[in-house]
Amino acid sequence: GAGVSQSPRYKVTKRGQDVTLRCDPISSHATLYWYQQALGQGPEFLTYFNYEAQPDKSGLPSDRFSAERPEGSISTLTIQRTEQRDSAMYRCASSRGLAGDETQYFGPGTRLLVL
Amino acid sequence: RKEVEQDPGPFNVPEGATVAFNCTYSNSASQSFFWYRQDCRKEPKLLMSVYSSGNEDGRFTAQLNKASQYVSLLIRDSQPSDSATYLCAVNREYSSASKIIFGSGTRLSIRP
Repeated sequence: GAGVSQSPRYKVTKRGQDVTLRCDPISSHATLYWYQQALGQGPEFLTYFNYEAQPDKSGLPSDRFSAERPEGSISTLTIQRTEQRDSAMYRCASSRGLAGDETQYFGPGTRLLVL
Repeated sequence: RKEVEQDPGPFNVPEGATVAFNCTYSNSASQSFFWYRQDCRKEPKLLMSVYSSGNEDGRFTAQLNKASQYVSLLIRDSQPSDSATYLCAVNREYSSASKIIFGSGTRLSIRP
């Protein structure tokens, strides 16, 4: 695709429900990142993938959070038993190669509201 | 202490002014540095990468001081269209992708 896309753009859910967010990176981009961004703050690292491998998931806040990228392209972020504190903007970014000095291209984000 | 720190601002300056922000990082192993721009309710977009020798792109200049562990961004002849939040990002690795840490951002407002 022309850019990184994310769906849904907005998600309202009740506390205790599970939610799954989707990221479709730029075609052939090797690296994919997930971030959580609170209002007025910078993106907070959650996890990243090199193709389908997930070398670092140290930013995931708890074991309720998990991410997958099974075929090295589309990725999902799942939050189980959502809590109100999970409400935030969730952003996905991709970069072309595996080098750490490359541009990240961000998607529009999914705004999650947990009631 | 946060791994990447920025002055949150807001910086409110008149059009035409020169404005500079610093970003400090705590991990001396950090190798790659970036400045991103984020407009209100939009996603971050790369403004410039920061090379060890510094980097200039038009009115924007980025510099790296590894000894003191900070990166800076200088905007000359600032324009109202420069109003945005500027995010500093640091990557520990150079040759491979890794965890990238963003600062909280510096808000800039340029008044005509």
